[in-house]
Amino acid sequence: GQNIDQPTEMTATEGAIVQINCTYQTSGFNGLFWYQQHAGEAPTFLSYNVLDGLEEKGRFSSFLSRSKGYSYLLLKELQMKDSASYLCAVRDHQTGANNLFFGTGTRLTVIP
Amino acid sequence: EAQVTQNPRYLITVTGKKLTVTCSQNMNHEYMSWYRQDPGLGLRQIYYSMNVEVTDKGDVPEGYKVSRKEKRNFPLILESPSPNQTSLYFCASKGRTYNEGFFGPGTRLTVL
Repeated sequence: GQNIDQPTEMTATEGAIVQINCTYQTSGFNGLFWYQQHAGEAPTFLSYNVLDGLEEKGRFSSFLSRSKGYSYLLLKELQMKDSASYLCAVRDHQTGANNLFFGTGTRLTVIP
Repeated sequence: EAQVTQNPRYLITVTGKKLTVTCSQNMNHEYMSWYRQDPGLGLRQIYYSMNVEVTDKGDVPEGYKVSRKEKRNFPLILESPSPNQTSLYFCASKGRTYNEGFFGPGTRLTVL
């Protein structure tokens, strides 16, 4: 099975840096994803890691350590529009379909 | 424009009245799936399809049916809806060679 854990809520200040952690346990790990979801809207893809290390994409970076079952999403130069939920998801190849399993999400509030 | 569409976006119905939520994608994606999202539980997969005429159960399939007669469409059918199926539903699709998944705008269903 899959067990994905991330903090429920975080608050950070506009212009600052915030790190959202995600730990996971899965028997058939085949990649970790981060999605952003604004309230009442669809999730949108942010990043994908399958190898250890840091992937940088503009203000957003995502890190993966497979041996520790750990990932984080780093958001720099926070903007008010970054207030959203951030979903960590693990792809598991054991089903044969490489399905995604989601954590419950971290609601980030950016304050002025 | 590449997109996943769902209809209806909002639906209020009564217990036992059969309903169908449609999902369509215009990206020629092989993989499609349905999720429900509930507070505190995150996104949970209901059913998925790896290609036409190939469907399989996800984590929470009870009370739902799907079909995949055409590549672009993946309707979700609730034969006899019950109040515990009140939720926000998302359809998603993904191409075989890509990691990024695309989500539809969501359908908010209330079963009275």
